[in-house]
Amino acid sequence: GAVVSQHPSWVICKSGTSVKIECRSLDFQATTMFWYRQFPKQSLMLMATSNEGSKATYEQGVEKDKFLINHASLTLSTLTVTSAHPEDSSFYICSAHGLAGYEQYFGPGTRLTVT
Amino acid sequence: ILNVEQSPQSLHVQEGDSTNFTCSFPSSNFYALHWYRWETAKSPEALFVMTLNGDEKKKGRISATLNTKEGYSYLYIKGSQPEDSATYLCAFGTGANNLFFGTGTRLTVIP
Repeated sequence: GAVVSQHPSWVICKSGTSVKIECRSLDFQATTMFWYRQFPKQSLMLMATSNEGSKATYEQGVEKDKFLINHASLTLSTLTVTSAHPEDSSFYICSAHGLAGYEQYFGPGTRLTVT
Repeated sequence: ILNVEQSPQSLHVQEGDSTNFTCSFPSSNFYALHWYRWETAKSPEALFVMTLNGDEKKKGRISATLNTKEGYSYLYIKGSQPEDSATYLCAFGTGANNLFFGTGTRLTVIP
């Protein structure tokens, strides 16, 4: 149980275009989902917390107009990187809270490369 | 940004050896300490969540301890197997939503 999928697993896009990443909880309902990114040789860093039916809460330094998050259902959250630039190239990974509230269950991540 | 440190960064052990890694975290604002196992191209897998000082958790050959007063947790693997090869992440939680990750310990078990 507690499986989280993420799509796509990797994507290459041109500078200036937008990319949407989907995060789905497959066998449970997730009222809260989280988006992280990881730059090479660094730790996973929380970008935003996404609550179903409400606006996401962004961490300091993360541009909400650039990283659009939509959590329209209890099983799906999307992250759209708008007007992507090479410095947005990173590994993006989502997670969702388990029923017990302590655990976060992660997707497999998305490698974004902006050329 | 809270500082969570893991050591060593990487580790090579022979099959059958036992090993351990360390996660250091701030000793204030503690809520929970998480350990994850992360294989390449897969999702990080939750191993343990520990909330109380002195907690010890065990799952098969893997166990973990927690000292919140001094701010560290140990992960032990007994009799390492090649399938244990992965990156082991710890995450310090200051609340239900706030996880601060270390950079991980990359374990390679040599057959």
